[in-house]
Amino acid sequence: QSELTQPPSASGTPGQTVTISCSGGKSNIGSNPVNWYQQIAGAAPKLLVYGDNQRPSGIPAGFSASRSGTSASLAISGLQSEDEADYYCAVWDDILYGPVFGGGTKLTVL
Amino acid sequence: EVQLVESGGGLIQPGGSLRLSCAASGFSLTDNFLTWVRRAPGKGLECVSLLHKDARTYYADSVKGRFTISRDTSRNTFYLQMNSLTAEDTAVYYCARGSPGYDHGTRFDFWGQGTLVTVAS
Repeated sequence: QSELTQPPSASGTPGQTVTISCSGGKSNIGSNPVNWYQQIAGAAPKLLVYGDNQRPSGIPAGFSASRSGTSASLAISGLQSEDEADYYCAVWDDILYGPVFGGGTKLTVL
Repeated sequence: EVQLVESGGGLIQPGGSLRLSCAASGFSLTDNFLTWVRRAPGKGLECVSLLHKDARTYYADSVKGRFTISRDTSRNTFYLQMNSLTAEDTAVYYCARGSPGYDHGTRFDFWGQGTLVTVAS
């Protein structure tokens, strides 16, 4: 069981905005920046957002994220069929002194 | 161009050992922290091991005492030695690079393609 809690699934129709939450504690989200990953079936994970809300080059502006207290969230606006994937939050935990991933959220585009 | 290429996966019997390799190009291993992340069937991502730039190591509880991460700077390759394997270690294993300028974290900017490890008799 992960120290970070994500909803197991989310869904939306094309063009909608979907938000995925990530809940943690003081030693992880409460103290360190959150990163988000997208993993499309059969592919390696890809860094989607780093440092709470920064997008690497090449990541569309439709992906945005934020962190507040011990929670973080990822928003995907203008949903497209190619956004169908598993999404993970990840953060350093100061007690474990190691990295932790959320359990992942499977996004379905209806 | 940064690239990571894994090798060494395969079918192994319970109790056996396997060594995964991750050949890096386009950067120096000593400039970045490095990690091995796995995804077991039906489960999410799990970071099993991380190597800080100064060679300190992190291991998930699930593999502590059985797995060892290391690097060979002369070959620009890092490794995951896996011993006493069980069915619970069956997964696709990915190597990844930590973003430059950090000693540790979860910002992994480049990933390998993954290598499948199947532990079964």
